[in-house]
Amino acid sequence: GAVVSQHPSWVICKSGTSVKIECRSLDFQATTMFWYRQFPKQSLMLMATSNEGSKATYEQGVEKDKFLINHASLTLSTLTVTSAHPEDSSFYICSAPSDSLGSYNEQFFGPGTRLTVL
Amino acid sequence: AQTVTQSQPEMSVQEAETVTLSCTYDTSESDYYLFWYKQPPSRQMILVIRQEAYKQQNATENRFSVNFQKAAKSFSLKISDSQLGDAAMYFCACDGGSNYKLTFGKGTLLTVNP
Repeated sequence: GAVVSQHPSWVICKSGTSVKIECRSLDFQATTMFWYRQFPKQSLMLMATSNEGSKATYEQGVEKDKFLINHASLTLSTLTVTSAHPEDSSFYICSAPSDSLGSYNEQFFGPGTRLTVL
Repeated sequence: AQTVTQSQPEMSVQEAETVTLSCTYDTSESDYYLFWYKQPPSRQMILVIRQEAYKQQNATENRFSVNFQKAAKSFSLKISDSQLGDAAMYFCACDGGSNYKLTFGKGTLLTVNP
C-alpha cells in the first residue's frame, strides 16, 4: 500500500511556542489530506481538510488561527500549532486518500505525532 | 452529517475463538463506505476491512468478515480464529461518499487471552 509519513514523531515544546508537523505522501500524490487529533484512549476527531493550492477547511470548533494548515505541494501538508499550551498536548494524525491509485476511498494514515506542551 | 456508535468499550476473547464487535451508524448520504480500522499500541491506523454500501454481499478479508445490515444501519466485525496479534483498539468508521471525510466511533479495545 501507499505510505504516508509524519515528522516529527514526538515533539516537546514550551508553552507559548509554535510547533510545525509535516505530513508527506511518499509514493503518491494527494490533493487532499486530513488532520486528526486523538486524546489518550479516545477516538480520532477530524480537525481539518487540507487542500492543495487552496485554503484548508476546518471542522466546527477548531480554531483556524491556532492550527495553521498549509498544503504547499501534492505530497506535503503541514500543521502548525501556534502559541501552544498544555491543553494542545495530544496525538496528531494525518491521512491521505488514494484516489490517484485507483482504490476508491481507501485512506492511508501517517504514524502520528505526539505533541507535549510543557 | 454522520454518526458512528460503538457500544462496546472493551471486549475480550480467547485465542483461537471468535469475537464480534458491534457498530451502528447514521448517515444522510445515499452512497457511502464503511470501514473497520485497527490501532495497535504503536498507534498506526491499519485498515482491516471495507464495505461499499451499495454492495449487498458482506465483505471478507481472511479471518475478518462483516455483517452489514443496511436497513438497520448496522456494521459488525467478526474476527475468527483470534490471534494474540489481533489485540488492539478497533474503530468503526463511515465515509460520506465523495468527500472522503471519515467519522469514527469511539472504539472497542480488544484483548486476546492466551
